[in-house]
Amino acid sequence: DTGVSQNPRHKITKRGQNVTFRCDPISEHNRLYWYRQTLGQGPEFLTYFQNEAQLEKSRLLSDRFSAERPKGSFSTLEIQRTEQGDSAMYLCASSLTGVFYEQYFGPGTRLTVT
Amino acid sequence: AQSVTQLGSHVSVSEGALVLLRCNYSSSVPPYLFWYVQYPNQGLQLLLKYTTGATLVKGINGFEAEFKKSETSFHLTKPSAHMSDAAEYFCAVSERGNQGGKLIFGQGTELSVKP
Repeated sequence: DTGVSQNPRHKITKRGQNVTFRCDPISEHNRLYWYRQTLGQGPEFLTYFQNEAQLEKSRLLSDRFSAERPKGSFSTLEIQRTEQGDSAMYLCASSLTGVFYEQYFGPGTRLTVT
Repeated sequence: AQSVTQLGSHVSVSEGALVLLRCNYSSSVPPYLFWYVQYPNQGLQLLLKYTTGATLVKGINGFEAEFKKSETSFHLTKPSAHMSDAAEYFCAVSERGNQGGKLIFGQGTELSVKP
């Protein structure tokens, strides 16, 4: 069990550029979640996958955001045409199926849009 | 809609003193309840959770929390604070019956421990 990993850990980009983040969950976990955390706030749910199926998306996930989880393994979160308001920590978590199971969080990717 | 309120964005205690971090939730039915801790530049780690059964739950590092349905509260306590407890603490809920299990977090409470 190597834990949830996220890459890159930090990303600085200029407004209008596209960025992509990767999350590698714990290998046997079939659920994967994305959250966004801004300074001084708690994480906010963005979306989640069960295996390769994206089952729920928050209204926070605008059309500029897209997430994939091909083959039910790693996941990517892409932000197109970044805006300064996208600056945040993007957290990934994974779990086994069922609300009784703990969500294990990765260290996050900190995005700064200049 | 569910929501979580953590009273006090910053709490400061002396080493050895009682730690009390407050959490109240709003939900039409009692949700599943969680406390997470976040150290600087790290992800969140689960301290404890309440899903069913005994309302007083014990977690890691000497923390415990009590679910009080009548007060819609899930306050986190620790009898004696250590310097290593300094961190950000988040209360979270998950909707009972929501098979997705997404978490709704409070805004967090930063705990400082003075020597």
